Amino acid sequence: DAKTTQPNSMESNEEEPVHLPCNHSTISGTDYIHWYRQLPSQGPEYVIHGLTSNVNNRMASLAIAEDRKSSTLILHRATLRDAAVYYCILRGYGGATNKLIFGTGTLLAVQP
Amino acid sequence: DTAVSQTPKYLVTQMGNDKSIKCEQNLGHDTMYWYKQDSKKFLKIMFSYNNKELIINETVPNRFSPKSPDKAHLNLHINSLELGDSAVYFCASSQVHGGINNEQFFGPGTRLTVL
Repeated sequence: DAKTTQPNSMESNEEEPVHLPCNHSTISGTDYIHWYRQLPSQGPEYVIHGLTSNVNNRMASLAIAEDRKSSTLILHRATLRDAAVYYCILRGYGGATNKLIFGTGTLLAVQP
Repeated sequence: DTAVSQTPKYLVTQMGNDKSIKCEQNLGHDTMYWYKQDSKKFLKIMFSYNNKELIINETVPNRFSPKSPDKAHLNLHINSLELGDSAVYFCASSQVHGGINNEQFFGPGTRLTVL
């Protein structure tokens, strides 16, 4: 499975945008980029995913580089509730590849 | 309404004991999973079941035996507990196994402490 690299930690101020980077230089053509986050003392929750085009949903936006070797999760206005570990995960399409392989993620701290 | 629930939330037991953790999902999903998160917060898949059939077994010791009585339930039984089994165990489910838009929904976790 292709690997992702994320910063160990980042800090943001409340109400400001946050850009969480992820490098995946060995991504294959059929790998989707998924983001999950884990709030303190909770299970992970799905945030967003994409293949080539940028994606938006109610939680965040995902910007994918043209060569797909990197991506950025964008939280438009961070709140205290967004403090969590954010995982960038590559997932192949179909069959037995539905397992999520979690890395160490980025611990996001949000300051009031 | 809790989508994926686990019981118990906390489990403290002695080495050598046998224990079970239960998981139920009310989402109508076909696929369920068990993950283990160790003390360093590293989260790793253990098993995946699709419609009561084992799909993924990630070289977990055979002291761990998942059981799926129906597709809404996936229980985890652990025999002869060891200190290294102390971790948080998460159950998850997804609508189907594989496919593109196949978000996994996680339960709140069960913190197992082996003394």
